[in-house]
Amino acid sequence: NAGVTQTPKFQVLKTGQSMTLQCAQDMNHEYMSWYRQDPGMGLRLIHYSVGAGITDQGEVPNGYNVSRSTTEDFPLRLLSAAPSQTSVYFCASSSRTGNNSPLHFGNGTRLTVT
Amino acid sequence: AQSVTQLDSQVPVFEEAPVELRCNYSSSVSVYLFWYVQYPNQGLQLLLKYLSGSTLVKGINGFEAEFNKSQTSFHLRKPSVHISDTAEYFCAVSLPFTGGGNKLTFGTGTQLKVEL
Repeated sequence: NAGVTQTPKFQVLKTGQSMTLQCAQDMNHEYMSWYRQDPGMGLRLIHYSVGAGITDQGEVPNGYNVSRSTTEDFPLRLLSAAPSQTSVYFCASSSRTGNNSPLHFGNGTRLTVT
Repeated sequence: AQSVTQLDSQVPVFEEAPVELRCNYSSSVSVYLFWYVQYPNQGLQLLLKYLSGSTLVKGINGFEAEFNKSQTSFHLRKPSVHISDTAEYFCAVSLPFTGGGNKLTFGTGTQLKVEL
């Protein structure tokens, strides 16, 4: 059972560089989302998608772009990395567009921006 | 908008002792409530959830939580902890029927450290 797979696990960027965090799920989940986790702040929603071709902003979307061309994949793009984006990023998915379906999380990508 | 407060950032406890992790929420409408656990260097896993019905909810690994509407609380309990319960625990809330997606609002987490 692969579940939710995130790559890479670790990444170091210089300020101004761009990169894409990959997320793939093999559970045919309609809903996918990206969170960032920072010490003392819990997890905050960046962007989410309720299906292929549909995305929307979460609580902290600035500096990030997403797209959802397939059900399986939901990449997160950092256009111009900033030190404030140093964080651990989690991708999550759930089985249907409802509020009571549990989220399945990947193991995270630890990003450092210098 | 809804919010979640976990007042205790760290809870140390001895093995086989009981533990309670506190969670309070704020919302003007009915909500769904969740507890997730995060082991080191891993993603979050669902422990239990409250949707409706019985206010006492049982989850995995011997954990349970009680929904108290009047006190807007959803505290997590375990009668006897094990070293393997050492992890960070997150309380989360979502609004029913928002039209799509499980947009959880998380608390700041409570680090449970079980000691011998």
